[in-house]
Amino acid sequence: DTEVTQTPKHLVMGMTNKKSLKCEQHMGHRAMYWYKQKAKKPPELMFVYSYEKLSINESVPSRFSPECPNSSLLNLHLHALQPEDSALYLCASSLVGGINEKLFFGSGTQLSVL
Amino acid sequence: AQSVTQLGSHVSVSEGALVLLRCNYSSSVPPYLFWYVQYPNQGLQLLLKYTSAATLVKGINGFEAEFKKSETSFHLTKPSAHMSDAAEYFCAVIGGTIQGAQKLVFGQGTRLTINP
Repeated sequence: DTEVTQTPKHLVMGMTNKKSLKCEQHMGHRAMYWYKQKAKKPPELMFVYSYEKLSINESVPSRFSPECPNSSLLNLHLHALQPEDSALYLCASSLVGGINEKLFFGSGTQLSVL
Repeated sequence: AQSVTQLGSHVSVSEGALVLLRCNYSSSVPPYLFWYVQYPNQGLQLLLKYTSAATLVKGINGFEAEFKKSETSFHLTKPSAHMSDAAEYFCAVIGGTIQGAQKLVFGQGTRLTINP
């Protein structure tokens, strides 16, 4: 299994809603990533977990809250988002330790904030 | 800080023609470079990566890239374009590692269009 699975594929939410994005992999990868991608732009790193611990937070607003409950799962909890947060949210995973490890990406969750 | 610049936000070629997508890097240390492809409504897929073992790197789907230190370039090529190659292509560089996890920094992307 060389897949990163993201759910849901599409999400529409209001600014007062609370929702969560889910990411799952079963490749034994101990690094997991959240990227945000606006239309016609490159992905931008948000968070990185290494061995289930948050190792990188790219100054992301607190309305985004990541969680890594175990080595296979990564969640992104959303609360009080703004319309400008509408984007494709990509999850990725990789092995830990090598300097140029390949990242495996999921297909993303297309988020629309109304 | 390591960064990459992709020259040309949009490249259009005819089916069967040579594909050339340009990427230049900026790095004070030997860079770790990648090319990723993104098909519509999908995530990113690795095409190839530079590992310093060889300057000419072969990837999937007939793509290859050549690392040229003198030109600080890592251009992506394919001898003969196919309709299925139409996608967004991203050059990327490792911007640092923390606790074994790596910060991948992407270029702005090049949209490749294939004309029949």
